[in-house]
Amino acid sequence: GENVEQHPSTLSVQEGDSAVIKCTYSDSASNYFPWYKQELGKRPQLIIDIRSNVGEKKDQRIAVTLNKTAKHFSLHITETQPEDSAVYFCAASRDFGNEKLTFGTGTRLTIIP
Amino acid sequence: DVKVTQSSRYLVKRTGEKVFLECVQDMDHENMFWYRQDPGLGLRLIYFSYDVKMKEKGDIPEGYSVSREKKERFSLILESASTNQTSMYLCASAWTGSSPLHFGNGTRLTVT
Repeated sequence: GENVEQHPSTLSVQEGDSAVIKCTYSDSASNYFPWYKQELGKRPQLIIDIRSNVGEKKDQRIAVTLNKTAKHFSLHITETQPEDSAVYFCAASRDFGNEKLTFGTGTRLTIIP
Repeated sequence: DVKVTQSSRYLVKRTGEKVFLECVQDMDHENMFWYRQDPGLGLRLIYFSYDVKMKEKGDIPEGYSVSREKKERFSLILESASTNQTSMYLCASAWTGSSPLHFGNGTRLTVT
């Protein structure tokens, strides 16, 4: 089955700086890669996703890049703000049939004011 | 907006009890999932269902079972609760296995 590794497990950045979280996956057939954000005491929510037919996707201050050859994908947050403090999870799945998402172990991002 | 409702926010049970965690979604989603969340281990899939009365084992199904008698409801059952099942349980639903998951608020279960 799929195995997703996520690094780092904790990350602290100064407000206004950029943050990068990296994930690797094992199943070369995976082609759907979402990122979820979980604020303290709340449910995880999708913030951005990418499918394997593109190498990069941006949405305002967040972007995701995908390298299928190396089987890794990354989340980039620019101009970080205090509300970016949360736990971020990457995930991977195949994009057909009744497939399931496999999650990474999460990154706790802290923005230092 | 999709609503996924879990019946309890907090639950305390004794070792050996049979425990039912209920989840209801209102978006007519085909797929429903039960995850367990533990610090440092991320979200681990227990069971999922892609249709009524259908179920598939996830990564950690041991000690759990599920029931999906109606499309909108997916129940997680702990046949005989044990202390190592103390955790946060998250239910989710989605159109397909590769579309955005909509999570419930979670049930924090403590087994004493």
